[in-house]
Amino acid sequence: DSGVTQTPKHLITATGQRVTLRCSPRSGDLSVYWYQQSLDQGLQFLIQYYNGEERAKGNILERFSAQQFPDLHSELNLSSLELGDSALYFCASSGGGFTEAFFGQGTRLTVV
Amino acid sequence: DQQVKQNSPSLSVQEGRISILNCDYTNSMFDYFLWYKKYPAEGPTFLISISSIKDKNEDGRFTVFLNKSAKHLSLHIVPSQPGDSAVYFCADRGMKTSYDKVIFGPGTSLSVIP
Repeated sequence: DSGVTQTPKHLITATGQRVTLRCSPRSGDLSVYWYQQSLDQGLQFLIQYYNGEERAKGNILERFSAQQFPDLHSELNLSSLELGDSALYFCASSGGGFTEAFFGQGTRLTVV
Repeated sequence: DQQVKQNSPSLSVQEGRISILNCDYTNSMFDYFLWYKKYPAEGPTFLISISSIKDKNEDGRFTVFLNKSAKHLSLHIVPSQPGDSAVYFCADRGMKTSYDKVIFGPGTSLSVIP
């Protein structure tokens, strides 16, 4: 158990809909990262938050947004969903400084 | 931009032999790298790291080598075991401060054949 909790584990929704993925980081970790892993693809960095503030952006679509709340949990919002958005979405957390990131088990999103 | 490349999508090795997984990088800010292992339907798990002050780091059967001049690192698994079959990701840890951006390579799928 990495200590990072992602909910839900599975999500099936229709094209055009909006979903919210939730991540609770490890206790004390201030950084939260979101990654997307499409079929047969590597991990694509989407966005990072640190203590409530956006710190880095990767290949995140404009239809996607994220935020980190005062209790440090984070949400990734995906809207106007397309079939190609079907993927595993991972959240990871780390402490400040020289530490490795710990991943949650992911949310499998299927857009039909 | 930081880039991490793993040019071998897959690798098969006999049980008991050495597995060598390679990784090349560009534009790393601090030459600090991580290796992750990922089983199907699970999140990646941290395996081993190496920082720029070292050219080798060892943890049990796993050793990572860093060649800064060649911008290359490799993960050696000796001896390989069937349970090592997984996808291995090399990652650039990014900056040393709290502003960090971990960039992953595409991964290498390792199969250890009994």
